[in-house]
Amino acid sequence: QVQLVQSEAEVKKPGSSVKVSCRTSGATFTSYGFSWVRQAPGQGLEWMGGIIPMYGTANYAQKFQGRVTITADESTTTTYMELSSLKSEDTAVYYCARGGISSRYWYFHLWGRGTLVTVSS
Amino acid sequence: EIVMTQSPATLSLSPGESATLSCRASQSFDSNYLSWYQQRPGQPPRLLIYGASTRATGIPARFSGSGSGTGFTLTISSLQPEDFAVYYCQQDYNLPPTFGGGTKVEIK
Repeated sequence: QVQLVQSEAEVKKPGSSVKVSCRTSGATFTSYGFSWVRQAPGQGLEWMGGIIPMYGTANYAQKFQGRVTITADESTTTTYMELSSLKSEDTAVYYCARGGISSRYWYFHLWGRGTLVTVSS
Repeated sequence: EIVMTQSPATLSLSPGESATLSCRASQSFDSNYLSWYQQRPGQPPRLLIYGASTRATGIPARFSGSGSGTGFTLTISSLQPEDFAVYYCQQDYNLPPTFGGGTKVEIK
């Protein structure tokens, strides 16, 4: 059964960076789209960006351009999301989500359990 | 970007009743690019419906989706206790993919 296994919760200081990982188990990796979606406490879902490992390039929401980097490592079937210049407003649960194939990369059949990132001085 | 607006924000219903959730888009798009998700407290979202009306694997038949253009609807017939949750619509017609603000279905 395919699973997305995310890294553990993090506590970070304002101004620092965080890197969250998402390992895919049990399925083909390179053909799918992988996105990062965050959810602030009590709020809705917000797409940050995504990557298709087969192509290697990432797309980012304008809001996060310049501050987020999404990468994929085919050898470990893992995607990463790094967010820099952290602010308290970045406190949220960060979800990894897998999309489809053949251009249907950006709706999400499978989700990780989420990684809580707390930004606090 | 396409703005997705859901209504109502909260729906208070009793088990066994039907729920009708609305989702409006700021511009028209192919209904193949509209999905619905359910999120229970403390859990990640779960895909319910894609292509506006196709149930995802394992989703019960009491969930149905419809709509086209800029207006979409999720209907839950005969609410079960596990259906009380937050529901989100999402478009992936254009980048960035965008979600509605969610509708919370709560027990009356």
